[in-house]
Amino acid sequence: QQQVKQSPQSLIVQKGGISIINCAYENTAFDYFPWYQQFPGKGPALLIAIRPDVSEKKEGRFTISFNKSAKQFSLHIMDSQPGDSATYFCAASSPHAGNNRKLIWGLGTSLAVNP
Amino acid sequence: GAVVSQHPSWVICKSGTSVKIECRSLDFQATTMFWYRQFPKQSLMLMATSNEGSKATYEQGVEKDKFLINHASLTLSTLTVTSAHPEDSSFYICSARPGLAGGYEQYFGPGTRLTVT
Repeated sequence: QQQVKQSPQSLIVQKGGISIINCAYENTAFDYFPWYQQFPGKGPALLIAIRPDVSEKKEGRFTISFNKSAKQFSLHIMDSQPGDSATYFCAASSPHAGNNRKLIWGLGTSLAVNP
Repeated sequence: GAVVSQHPSWVICKSGTSVKIECRSLDFQATTMFWYRQFPKQSLMLMATSNEGSKATYEQGVEKDKFLINHASLTLSTLTVTSAHPEDSSFYICSARPGLAGGYEQYFGPGTRLTVT
């Protein structure tokens, strides 16, 4: 049973457009929702993250929208650039206490931004 | 800040040999480090959680005797793949969580590509 469902699997956007990736989660005890960006052959890089007491967080061209009642959160990339072409993963932090807290991952979205 | 390194970045070994991968947090201390495995075009699969000074916690289905994890200090964790076989070929990535108490962020290393021939 997949606890974090990510869509779409792949996405093609024109340069300058808005890229939107969605995630839905099951466990209402999740309390931290990060997005990671991964380029081929590299480790994931933390992009932006949100806690459930906030409905939106913006950092530069990246925005997370969070809907607690719908158990959904999304990543918006404004003014998408070819350099944004990568795989994006959403995740949710399991509600374990202390050092055993771990991330539950979505399956990833491959984003291609056409020049 | 929050830089994690891995060594080596890639390694080729013969079937039956053992390989050690190092994960270091360069500019912060990390009580907890994580080891992941990733197959091409797939998501990250958590293998184990490593806490400094204690035994690692392995995820279900991960052989603890095959994937030995040691977290000897607050900046270093190692993964040893023992008696490697071709099916162990994969991309191994570590992450580290800053701080001495349970926090949220995980910062990832660049990964190690293991090929077993």
